[in-house]
Amino acid sequence: DARVTQTPRHKVTEMGQEVTMRCQPILGHNTVFWYRQTMMQGLELLAYFRNRAPLDDSGMPKDRFSAEMPDATLATLKIQPSEPRDSAVYFCASVGQGVPEAFFGQGTRLTVV
Amino acid sequence: AQKITQTQPGMFVQEKEAVTLDCTYDTSDPSYGLFWYKQPSSGEMIFLIYQGSYDQQNATEGRYSLNFQKARKSANLVISASQLGDSAMYFCAMREYRDDKIIFGKGTRLHILP
Repeated sequence: DARVTQTPRHKVTEMGQEVTMRCQPILGHNTVFWYRQTMMQGLELLAYFRNRAPLDDSGMPKDRFSAEMPDATLATLKIQPSEPRDSAVYFCASVGQGVPEAFFGQGTRLTVV
Repeated sequence: AQKITQTQPGMFVQEKEAVTLDCTYDTSDPSYGLFWYKQPSSGEMIFLIYQGSYDQQNATEGRYSLNFQKARKSANLVISASQLGDSAMYFCAMREYRDDKIIFGKGTRLHILP
């Protein structure tokens, strides 16, 4: 059963701490997206990669957010230092060749206190 | 620039009625795809239906159909014979094939009334 796996599912952290969210895309999918969901903004695209190369990260606050794909099976999203306004659900999604739709992970619910 | 607009923040519909969720888009890429996703209260994102920009016929998947009007740049989702389980947030999305970027609208929260 192919699926996108995100860890952790929930994270509560104190303001100023580093947060790392991980995503394992579906094996063979070469395009990986990071989205942030909030009540006010809906689903915002933060960054995405094709074949591990970053294509666009213009949706990310550059001073505190970073996204990487150390290898084809792992994408990471880091926030350092975290702030209360970063509280949201962060989704990872992947797309494969020949399949139009994106497959989503279950999301990481981040709460910064 | 890409843009997706969903103008209905919330809708209330009586069970068994048909419902139309609006979506308009803007792109300069001639090759693109349009999607609808459902997000129930559990939070998962469920893919519903896809329409390619070159597809001649409107896409259908069971009770879901996509009313694609290319000249108007609209891609409305039609749910026939609504059910209580259709209560959820619905997102319209677009993928431009020149760079594979996928962006989403802000969503419409649908409430089905018994």
